Amino acid sequence: TQLLEQSPQFLSIQEGENLTVYCNSSSVFSSLQWYRQEPGEGPVLLVTVVTGGEVKKLKRLTFQFGDARKDSSLHITAAQPGDTGLYLCAGYPTGGFKTIFGAGTRLFVKA
Amino acid sequence: NAGVTQTPKFRVLKTGQSMTLLCAQDMNHEYMYWYRQDPGMGLRLIHYSVGEGTTAKGEVPDGYNVSRLKKQNFLLGLESAAPSQTSVYFCASSTGLARTDTQYFGPGTRLTVL
Repeated sequence: TQLLEQSPQFLSIQEGENLTVYCNSSSVFSSLQWYRQEPGEGPVLLVTVVTGGEVKKLKRLTFQFGDARKDSSLHITAAQPGDTGLYLCAGYPTGGFKTIFGAGTRLFVKA
Repeated sequence: NAGVTQTPKFRVLKTGQSMTLLCAQDMNHEYMYWYRQDPGMGLRLIHYSVGEGTTAKGEVPDGYNVSRLKKQNFLLGLESAAPSQTSVYFCASSTGLARTDTQYFGPGTRLTVL
């Protein structure tokens, strides 16, 4: 069974702090996506990474795909209350065709 | 442009009752999905469809049925609801199954089975 483990499960920080959340697996994925889900809403895609070692930036968010394509990280610089939400990673297995979702990291940024 | 819509938003059922959740998308996507989201377990695929008139089982299909009679609609049915089916249900759609395709999600249906 292919699993994506996300850590930490919960994170509560002050506005302006930096943070990193992780998505790890023992399996290789051909791509890794990060979604953000706000309360009462469905997930919304933030980014897709496909190459081992790839780094993508989206304003204050930096996403990295591990060299072996088994893990990914999301770093947020100077977090803001608007960053509050559930961050989900989703992997597309090599040789498969159905996306696998992690359980998510719930982030709360206090003003 | 409404994207993906789901009906209803909330529902409370008694054990053994039946209901149908409706998902509609206006993006002309071929692929549609039903997921359930439970605390600590992430999104789990129930059923999916690769086109009008076709459906397939996902990771947790037991107790659910689906139909895709029209391209834009994907229905999820519970014939005899059980408390274990208490969850938040999300519908999604995409243009394809490629590793870079984006899934567009609806706002969810919160179902409680008593």
